[in-house]
Amino acid sequence: EAGVVQSPRYKIIEKKQPVAFWCNPISGHNTLYWYLQNLGQGPELLIRYENEEAVDDSQLPKDRFSAERLKGVDSTLKIQPAELGDSAVYLCASSLLDNEQFFGPGTRLTVL
Amino acid sequence: GIQVEQSPPDLILQEGANSTLRCNFSDSVNNLQWFHQNPWGQLINLFYIPSGTKQNGRLSATTVATERYSLLYISSSQTTDSGVYFCAVGGSQGNLIFGKGTKLSVKP
Repeated sequence: EAGVVQSPRYKIIEKKQPVAFWCNPISGHNTLYWYLQNLGQGPELLIRYENEEAVDDSQLPKDRFSAERLKGVDSTLKIQPAELGDSAVYLCASSLLDNEQFFGPGTRLTVL
Repeated sequence: GIQVEQSPPDLILQEGANSTLRCNFSDSVNNLQWFHQNPWGQLINLFYIPSGTKQNGRLSATTVATERYSLLYISSSQTTDSGVYFCAVGGSQGNLIFGKGTKLSVKP
């Protein structure tokens, strides 16, 4: 069974530029999560989807971050414009309902 | 919100030694998972253990939900066990709330 797929694995951009991350969850998993992991910390939730619906986006900085999950499968997380403080690892996870979560390899973003 | 505390924050072992990692949480939870984050950043699922005891090879875990703690046991440690071990509990919105992790270094 294929795991959670994310791309790109690494991204380097200059501040004020836009950036997008893509996630393909495990087949059949209806719940998809985006987490942010800063260096030396545990991941923190940005947004949670159940099928196409964003059911918890309270921690998503909506002035610059946006996300979508069209057709309830793949998801894209976008930052526009990026700031220096956005440098971090962006992790996607999926689960069947509220059961065990499985994580992708993450996208390491560096903003210069 | 739920608080998750892991101890110890750092642990250095000689290859072959045993260790116990602890996770305390501040409220009742529906989900508890242990992860190993390898040097490349991948979070590897170790256990999904809201309660009870499970074993997988040299690793085992116990969660006592009524007392709000979980333990991860690593026996006969190997250098490949090095990395950061995270405990994460299920919040009211279905997301996972992570502790700060235990950084394990196993020396040959």
